[in-house]
This record gives sequence, C-alpha cells and structure tokens, in this order.
Amino acid sequence: EVQLVESGGGLVQPGGSLRLSCAASGFTFNNHWMSWVRQAPGKGLEWVANIKEDGSQQYYVDSVKGRFTISRDNAKNSLHLQMNSLRAEDTAVYYCTRSHITAAGCKDYWGQGTLVTVSS
Amino acid sequence: DIVMTQSPDSLAVSLGERATINCKSSQSVLSNNKNYLAWYQQKPGQPPKLLIYWASTRESGVPDRFSGSGSGTDFTLTISSLQAEDVAVYYCQQYYDSWWTFGQGTKVEIQ
Repeated sequence: EVQLVESGGGLVQPGGSLRLSCAASGFTFNNHWMSWVRQAPGKGLEWVANIKEDGSQQYYVDSVKGRFTISRDNAKNSLHLQMNSLRAEDTAVYYCTRSHITAAGCKDYWGQGTLVTVSS
Repeated sequence: DIVMTQSPDSLAVSLGERATINCKSSQSVLSNNKNYLAWYQQKPGQPPKLLIYWASTRESGVPDRFSGSGSGTDFTLTISSLQAEDVAVYYCQQYYDSWWTFGQGTKVEIQ
C-alpha cells in the first residue's frame, strides 16, 4: 500500500524557517517524480515544487523561488522541503504527492498534509 | 504561466442528475495528440484524489459515472448521475509544462 506521511509543520514567525519531510513507502520511490502542493485555509490548490526521480531537476512556483528548496533522499525514501524567509502568505496545509508513472504531471497519491502557520 | 479557469464556481444538482464542470486553459495543453489535463476530487477534510488524466483517462478504481472530455484549451468533467458521495470540490490541473497549475475549483452540492 502506497503511503506518504508528512511531518515538520508548525507555527513559525515571519522570516523564520521550517523543514518539511515526507516518508514514502509501498512503492519504488526512485521511479517517480515527487512534488509539494499547498492549500491555504479555505482556498484552492497551489503546486509549490517538484523534483525529478534522480533529483537532477527541480521546479518551483515563482512565489517561493529562492526561498524554498525541494530535495529527496532515494536511499531513505524521503522527500523534503526547506522553507526559508517564510511569509504570512505561506500559511497552508502542505501535501506531499507522488507523480503518476505514465503521466508525470499528475499526482496519483497524496499524503494527509502538514499545516504550516506563519504568524507573529 | 498557464492559467486555468473553471466554471461555474459552484453548482447544485439533484441526486441522479448530470453535473458538468468546465475548465479552460489560457493556452493549448495539447501536444503529441495528448492533452496534459487532469481532474481531482477533494472531499471535506481529505486530500485530493486523482479522477482523470490525459483529459479523458479514468484513474483505476474511479466509478464510470465520471468522464472527462475536451481538447486544446476547453475541457469538461461530467458526473453522469450524481450520488451523495460525489459532494466535493473538483479541480482541473494542467501538466503541459513544468510549472503545473490548478483551476480555482468548483464546489458540487446536492440540490
């Protein structure tokens, strides 16, 4: 059974940092692109970042470029999101997602999400 | 960036009736005879669930009352006979380029 379990969310002050992690199991991790998608309270979905199977390519939404870094450890089946210079508008539930094997842009499995709150 | 616009923002449909959601992209998402368009369902308190990819391919386990159609810039998700468990917010998403974008969502309720 595919499982994605996020951790690392919490309350942080503006300008602070957090590192999110996602533990993956039940599938061959290094066969899939992986992504982070966020959802602000009561709002829609926003793709944040994605990373290629071998970690050689990463892409970011413009609003987090230069502040967030996505990474993966294929030996440990884990995905990470280092978030620096956090802003109030980064407040959201952050989902770890797996990309479909034949349609890499689709996310066929989602974790339950971890809440990040940026507030003083 | 490719902007995805859904319509309507919400709709109320009677049980057993058809529900239709539209999604329009700001540029074509068609390449090599494939439309890089997916649909998701999100129920309250749950993460989204993939329903449709390549605009019309149903994900494994998704009931056949859900269907996707369209090409280029205009797409439709149809629920042929609305069931109580289909109450949710539905999102389209393009994956044509490496900067994936979602529509704003359409809330489906029972009339």
